[in-house]
Amino acid sequence: EIVLTQSPDTLSVSPGERATLSCRASESISSNLAWYQQKPGQTPRLLIYGASTRATGIPARFSGSGSGTEFTLTISSLQSEDFAVYYCQEYNNWSLITFGQGTRLDIK
Amino acid sequence: QVQLQESGPGLVKPSETLSLTCRVSGYSISSGYYWAWIRQPPGKGLEWIGSIYHSGSTYYNPSLKSRVTISVDASKNQYSLNLRSVTAADTAVYYCVRLRSVVVTVEDIHYCFDSWGQGSLVTVSS
Repeated sequence: EIVLTQSPDTLSVSPGERATLSCRASESISSNLAWYQQKPGQTPRLLIYGASTRATGIPARFSGSGSGTEFTLTISSLQSEDFAVYYCQEYNNWSLITFGQGTRLDIK
Repeated sequence: QVQLQESGPGLVKPSETLSLTCRVSGYSISSGYYWAWIRQPPGKGLEWIGSIYHSGSTYYNPSLKSRVTISVDASKNQYSLNLRSVTAADTAVYYCVRLRSVVVTVEDIHYCFDSWGQGSLVTVSS
């Protein structure tokens, strides 16, 4: 089973600044990675799949990169609505799916 | 637009079976894709429980496989989760979710959870 480790656990950033979130896989997963955003009291929302493809309706300030074992989600200029918990998810073996533990993005 | 809605008891006693149903609207389960259950304990992260295809093919999280059954009723456009022998550790919000496949090429297919139910809090307590 592939283990995803996200870092940091909590990231404090000021509005308007750039946020960089990391996700590391325990073995190579090619580009089989997705990112989700979850705000308090809400369901998760798909942001990115294929490591770098934005889902429908996702603003361009969200970008994903990486392949193999190292992945990054970048939010270029943080808006107030971006403060949330972010999860990465792998589907290298789509019949056995795992999530990272999440990164909480807080307002600094 | 596809919509998913969970239903079932909000309270289950320890050692009993947790049963939830997900009703899908706006999309026919028989048209394709996989359909999944994901759970989230209070204040914690997401855990994939398992997925099912309209044909009945199932895939389960190894950590839960001995206690889980997911079934589908395509005629009612719904699918269900049974989790046996529950303990307090199974207390969580349970989501039903569509697992969409995005085909770039035959060798490049991406799977992502693109549509979520609102979630159903199930508490295990006597």
